[in-house]
Amino acid sequence: DAGVTQSPTHLIKTRGQQVTLRCSPKSGHDTVSWYQQALGQGPQFIFQYYEEEERQRGNFPDRFSGHQFPNYSSELNVNALLLGDSALYLCASSLIGDGQGNIQYFGAGTRLSVL
Amino acid sequence: GIQVEQSPPDLILQEGANSTLRCNFSDSVNNLQWFHQNPWGQLINLFYIPSGTKQNGRLSATTVATERYSLLYISSSQTTDSGVYFCAGGGLGGGATNKLIFGTGTLLAVQP
Repeated sequence: DAGVTQSPTHLIKTRGQQVTLRCSPKSGHDTVSWYQQALGQGPQFIFQYYEEEERQRGNFPDRFSGHQFPNYSSELNVNALLLGDSALYLCASSLIGDGQGNIQYFGAGTRLSVL
Repeated sequence: GIQVEQSPPDLILQEGANSTLRCNFSDSVNNLQWFHQNPWGQLINLFYIPSGTKQNGRLSATTVATERYSLLYISSSQTTDSGVYFCAGGGLGGGATNKLIFGTGTLLAVQP
């Protein structure tokens, strides 16, 4: 049973560029959430996708956008990269109505460095 | 929004010692999870515990929902227990999976 997988594992970009991160949810899951974790901090919620729509959004600018595909996988796009976007980006998957409060399972993350 | 406070922020233990980590929430949550983040960044699920007590090997957790806090107990600590421990919870309300609000974590170092 494959867990949550994210790609790439590491990425280096320069200011102003655009980046796309990818996530495949745990088998059987239908919901994907994205989090940003700055160094020394806890993860911060970016947004969540269910049924190919953005359902919830955290306090992040419109430069952060996403997409969910029919196979439930998801992409996170960040435009006009800033130095402050350097962070570990985590994807979590869950199953709506799993009877356990929608437990979230995390991937290993993508570490983005913006130079 | 909900605030999550974890204590202590840092903890150094000798192998074999026991420890208690605490998580306080500013408001009621309807789902509460404990995670261990390993040195490579992976968040490992430890417990889903919105209320009550659970045990898994040397780890156990207790949540007192009415008082808005949770405790994680680590017994007979091992060097492999080192890392950052996070608690996270979601707000009340139906619909889609509630987003998780994370604390700032407890950094645990277990020395041989």
